[in-house]
Amino acid sequence: QVQLQESGPGLVKPSGTLSLTCTVSTSLKNYYWSWIRQSPGKGLEWIGYLHSSGITSYNPSLKSRATISEDTSKSQFSLDLSSATAADTAVYYCARDRGLGICDYWGQGILVTVSA
Amino acid sequence: EIVLTQSPGTLSLSPGDRASLSCRASQSISSDYLAWYQQKPGQAPRLLISGAFNRATGIPDRFSGSGSGTDFTLTISRLEPEDFAMYYCQQYGSSPRTFGPGTKVDFK
Repeated sequence: QVQLQESGPGLVKPSGTLSLTCTVSTSLKNYYWSWIRQSPGKGLEWIGYLHSSGITSYNPSLKSRATISEDTSKSQFSLDLSSATAADTAVYYCARDRGLGICDYWGQGILVTVSA
Repeated sequence: EIVLTQSPGTLSLSPGDRASLSCRASQSISSDYLAWYQQKPGQAPRLLISGAFNRATGIPDRFSGSGSGTDFTLTISRLEPEDFAMYYCQQYGSSPRTFGPGTKVDFK
């Protein structure tokens, strides 16, 4: 059983950077690791993924504001979302991606509010 | 990007009923790369089906997926009380991956 846990600030100021970390109970090797968010207005939205080889892919809708990185020594991967606005307020999930986009293990989610 | 439409928005049924949930894509999904997720309030989505019809590990056989191209269906053969939840389809055949808006299965 793979466990994931999101952590980070629950409140971010407008124009600031939203930064979250996902801690995984197993090695990051050989899998893709995704960030997905859910807001009342936009539903579920895939943000991007990182493969343990270093490959990344992002949703173009985020207009290059998202960066996903990893710290394999800590079995963690992170999301930075710059120039945050109220539209980025959402529950953010990290998930293991089996490849091809099938997310079989998810964290419990963390609510991030963008507000002054 | 591929837009997914789910219908109906809400399905009001009773335990023991059969549920049929539809997911329609704005263009053909390559290799039938479509997944279904279940989500309960306050919880993360849970993978039910991938590849249009392959049940994920531990998913009861009352859940089944079908369809191809642009039209897909999730069927729950006999609803159990724990099946009343939101259901989302997701395509992963082209980037960006996209999700449908969901169908809520609630008690009649």
